[in-house]
Amino acid sequence: QVQLQESGPGLVKPSETLSLTCTVSGGSISSYFWSWIRQPPGKGLEWIGYIYYSESTNYNPSLKSRVSISVDTSKNQFSLELRSVTAADTAVYYCARGIGGVFRRYYYYYMDVWGKGTTVTVSS
Amino acid sequence: SSELTQDPAVSVALGQTVRITCQGDSLRSYYASWYQQKPGQAPVVVIYGKNNRPSGIPDRFSGSSSGNTASLTITGAQAEDEADYYCNSRDSRSNRVLFGGGTKVTVL
Repeated sequence: QVQLQESGPGLVKPSETLSLTCTVSGGSISSYFWSWIRQPPGKGLEWIGYIYYSESTNYNPSLKSRVSISVDTSKNQFSLELRSVTAADTAVYYCARGIGGVFRRYYYYYMDVWGKGTTVTVSS
Repeated sequence: SSELTQDPAVSVALGQTVRITCQGDSLRSYYASWYQQKPGQAPVVVIYGKNNRPSGIPDRFSGSSSGNTASLTITGAQAEDEADYYCNSRDSRSNRVLFGGGTKVTVL
């Protein structure tokens, strides 16, 4: 049973860098899409980005200039860095495992395992 | 457009059927996946692929699609189905992940 656990500071000052880590237990991090998703208070889900096969990344264009996602396979962890944060980055941050493929000429993509989420507040 | 559009809210009487829709160009080449999120909890996938339910998801949840529209149907809605539901897919050109804005389902 794969489980994900987010960790990192719950409070970040404006203009600083938000850094979170997701620890994967019960399975390998060597494949799948490893995503970060966030949810501002009272709002919907926003995909931040993913890392695939430990090297290929894809980011939300609205955040791309400030985001980096990396993997440490030796620790079975992947991490998020979001630079130059503002109050608008206050949210619950989730990590999730994504699965993609093709079936009958249609593609599919879904996230089957999620962490419980961690609240990050940006405030001085 | 590479966005996904959902109605903000829908209500259903206990035991009745409700359908939630999700529209977007990406759905012409991608199956939608659907997530249930209850207050204070992480999302949980309820439908993925053509119409697959993960283990533990009741069979009253089903999915379908036609053209650029995907649907999640709850047949015989229960009180515990009251939640926010999000659709999800990927953009076939950029491969970026997309979420719909979410639909709040109220069971009356």
